[in-house]
Amino acid sequence: EAQVTQNPRYLITVTGKKLTVTCSQNMNHEYMSWYRQDPGLGLRQIYYSMNVEVTDKGDVPEGYKVSRKEKRNFPLILESPSPNQTSLYFCASSLRTGSSYEQYFGPGTRLTVT
Amino acid sequence: AQTVTQSQPEMSVQEAETVTLSCTYDTSESDYYLFWYKQPPSRQMILVIRQEAYKQQNATENRFSVNFQKAAKSFSLKISDSQLGDAAMYFCAYRSARSYGANSKLTFGKGITLSVRP
Repeated sequence: EAQVTQNPRYLITVTGKKLTVTCSQNMNHEYMSWYRQDPGLGLRQIYYSMNVEVTDKGDVPEGYKVSRKEKRNFPLILESPSPNQTSLYFCASSLRTGSSYEQYFGPGTRLTVT
Repeated sequence: AQTVTQSQPEMSVQEAETVTLSCTYDTSESDYYLFWYKQPPSRQMILVIRQEAYKQQNATENRFSVNFQKAAKSFSLKISDSQLGDAAMYFCAYRSARSYGANSKLTFGKGITLSVRP
């Protein structure tokens, strides 16, 4: 089944404890992206990757890191999480960038930082 | 920069009735794509319908249709014969047709919560 998977689905952590949210897709997609969803703000892009080893900042990159060493994986790293990073996170992927390609979303990761 | 506005935070509809969700956007581009996503309580983001700006014909997917007014920069979603399973948060989203680099992102509105009364 074609899908985007994220792990963990739920995570409660404390301020400053490094964490990684994994994202994997099995569709051989070139483009991958991370969004965060906050009440009243919709979804905002954190980072994106056009292909392996090609990543760039989105609209809200502060406090996050990403890497793209393999085509299928695009982990989101919070090196020193803070309470303002409590949010719902989505990974998305598409075959390529370009107008006709739909972005497929993962199931979301609910992160709480205390 | 493009912006997407959903001014109604909540709406309610009676089962089997029709409801229209509003969305406006702002862009200086002439070629772009507009989307409606559904987010049920499971939180999964589900693409409902897509509209290409170069197409004059409004998109339709079963009970879902859009009213795309390019000059007015308006993109509303009409749900006909509403069902209990339509209850969800709905997001309007914009993407540039250039879709490279920073233009590849989806720009979302704040969302609207739709409830369906039995």
